[in-house]
Amino acid sequence: SSELTQDPAVSVALGQTVRITCRGDSVRFFSPSWYQQKPGQAPELVVYGANFRPSGIPDRFSASTSGGEGSLTITGAQADDEADYYCNSRDNSGNYHFGGGTHLTVL
Amino acid sequence: QVQVMQSGAEVKKPGASVKVSCKTSGYTFTDYGIHWVRQAPGQGLEWMGWISPYNGNTNYAQKFQVRVTMTTDTSTSTAYLEVTSLRADDTAVYYCARDGAGYDYWGQGTLVIVSA
Repeated sequence: SSELTQDPAVSVALGQTVRITCRGDSVRFFSPSWYQQKPGQAPELVVYGANFRPSGIPDRFSASTSGGEGSLTITGAQADDEADYYCNSRDNSGNYHFGGGTHLTVL
Repeated sequence: QVQVMQSGAEVKKPGASVKVSCKTSGYTFTDYGIHWVRQAPGQGLEWMGWISPYNGNTNYAQKFQVRVTMTTDTSTSTAYLEVTSLRADDTAVYYCARDGAGYDYWGQGTLVIVSA
């Protein structure tokens, strides 16, 4: 299956570390990219490829992949990190898929 | 700097068509593909398809293969998304995004409302 599964919601205490996961068969072969979306805004790329951050993205954001599970880790979560996070990966046909999204609450 | 600017909001009746534009600047248009993504109200992101401005090749998500056409105009560095036979459940914000390393630059989104 090319579907990507994410937990709908995750919470983290301010300053602590949180991991957001993305599960799917395609993740075994194609590392997902990760997007942050705040209310009323377009998504923003935070991590792509094996573990690369675009310019301007804080280094507290990192990603990893193991088997069919990719994860986005925020080390030392800040209030500004409260948002929806989506993973995206492609399949062997060149089609792309988004996970259902995870809403992150920073307590 | 890279900029991606989309056309304004549209209100359409069921059965009509809509064409959304995505004008880019600040880079060589033909060097990067363009993805189209939509987001229904309160819902997640949905990948619709991809187009290469270099040669016009497209790859549509299966559910959109019949009603969606993606095109580009290299003279104006603009990508277009046309959706036909609109239904109420096509009401969404439609985004274009550059296919760099990931979807690295996004348009601001175009709200399309389908209502009788």
